[in-house]
Amino acid sequence: AQKVTQAQTEISVVEKEDVTLDCVYETRDTTYYLFWYKQPPSGELVFLIRRNSFDEQNEISGRYSWNFQKSTSSFNFTITASQVVDSAVYFCALSVSKLGHGGSQGNLIFGKGTKLSVKP
Amino acid sequence: GAGVSQSPRYKVAKRGQDVALRCDPISGHVSLFWYQQALGQGPEFLTYFQNEAQLDKSGLPSDRFFAERPEGSVSTLKIQRTQQEDSAVYLCASSFRQGDRYEQYFGPGTRLTVT
Repeated sequence: AQKVTQAQTEISVVEKEDVTLDCVYETRDTTYYLFWYKQPPSGELVFLIRRNSFDEQNEISGRYSWNFQKSTSSFNFTITASQVVDSAVYFCALSVSKLGHGGSQGNLIFGKGTKLSVKP
Repeated sequence: GAGVSQSPRYKVAKRGQDVALRCDPISGHVSLFWYQQALGQGPEFLTYFQNEAQLDKSGLPSDRFFAERPEGSVSTLKIQRTQQEDSAVYLCASSFRQGDRYEQYFGPGTRLTVT
């Protein structure tokens, strides 16, 4: 079975602090994709990043960076110099290849989310 | 361009009533997903369409839940004889193509409250 664990329920930081959101996943599949989504108070999930299981290269996008480590089954997300606008719930998600089930369909398995509050 | 839209945004139903939730995916998107998000939880998969074909409904919690996408575009999630445990936000997502490598674009959700 597949599972995503986000152990941090809530994190509160002061603006300009760096913050890391943890994500640990479980799957027996060798081919899978990992995602991070942001859910602001408006409720709409916003796609941030996708990584595939064959690419462990870390990625940086502006103030955001992601650390993917297969050895520890982790896909952590760091926000550098946090801002008030970063306040949201962040979800880590996993998608596995359901080959033979009408092809690979890609439904996401989400963690419970981490609520980040950035205070001015 | 227009994103995924859902209507209504809020729905209050008395226990036992039937409800219908609508999703308009991004034009041209082949894949469409429905998720259920309980308060304080992550979204959970309900069902998946590729064009008009419902290829996976393994996440539907009971036979009171029914989804359709007759022309491969707009989708409707119907819940019959609503129960209090059906109270949740129902999210629709679409993806340009089939497959796990493609990111999904989510709508704002419909918040269903069953009283």
